[in-house]
Amino acid sequence: SQELEQSPQSLIVQEGKNLTINCTSSKTLYGLYWYKQKYGEGLIFLMMLQKGGEEKSHEKITAKLDEKKQQSSLHITASQPSHAGIYLCGADMGSGGYQKVTFGTGTKLQVIP
Amino acid sequence: DTGVSQNPRHKITKRGQNVTFRCDPISEHNRLYWYRQTLGQGPEFLTYFQNEAQLEKSRLLSDRFSAERPKGSFSTLEIQRTEQGDSAMYLCASSFGGSSGNTIYFGEGSWLTVV
Repeated sequence: SQELEQSPQSLIVQEGKNLTINCTSSKTLYGLYWYKQKYGEGLIFLMMLQKGGEEKSHEKITAKLDEKKQQSSLHITASQPSHAGIYLCGADMGSGGYQKVTFGTGTKLQVIP
Repeated sequence: DTGVSQNPRHKITKRGQNVTFRCDPISEHNRLYWYRQTLGQGPEFLTYFQNEAQLEKSRLLSDRFSAERPKGSFSTLEIQRTEQGDSAMYLCASSFGGSSGNTIYFGEGSWLTVV
């Protein structure tokens, strides 16, 4: 979606290294979702952010939403091969009166042992 | 809570045939979504149900596509007269409505290959 841009498109990191994935919207977001997807499988929910400046962590993954609620980052600390996959950000831009989520094109992450 | 269940997981069909996918959402979830995903792309919204009512349909959902959610429980997505361009993964998701801050859970997806 052109309304939601994700970068980088792909990333190869050595095991143990930190990495950051970014998600930028042209509109103010009502909610920002991060999912992980293995090739050919469904989406696994990681985190949801709603408030400006909000930050959430789960294990070695931290997600932040900026104060303007237009940019989010996903940071992985000390990456492991199990972190490999496609990371998708999805945005609720407030249209429709329900959680209509628009997704970015994803970031493909490879972690080299 | 067994998660969102989709079947079949894989379907290969000849062009022109009809196919139907089924989605069983998480129980108590009144919101149900269908998305389509092609290789290298993020999921694209197709349609949304609140209980049994289909409240929004994307322009991606041509007349050959129909979705239902009888009784507000499971949902079906039917594609009539399939075309090669319909080849994709069809994802179902559900959430509990009432506020905007509820987690949306996705199923494993149903792969469609039209030959």
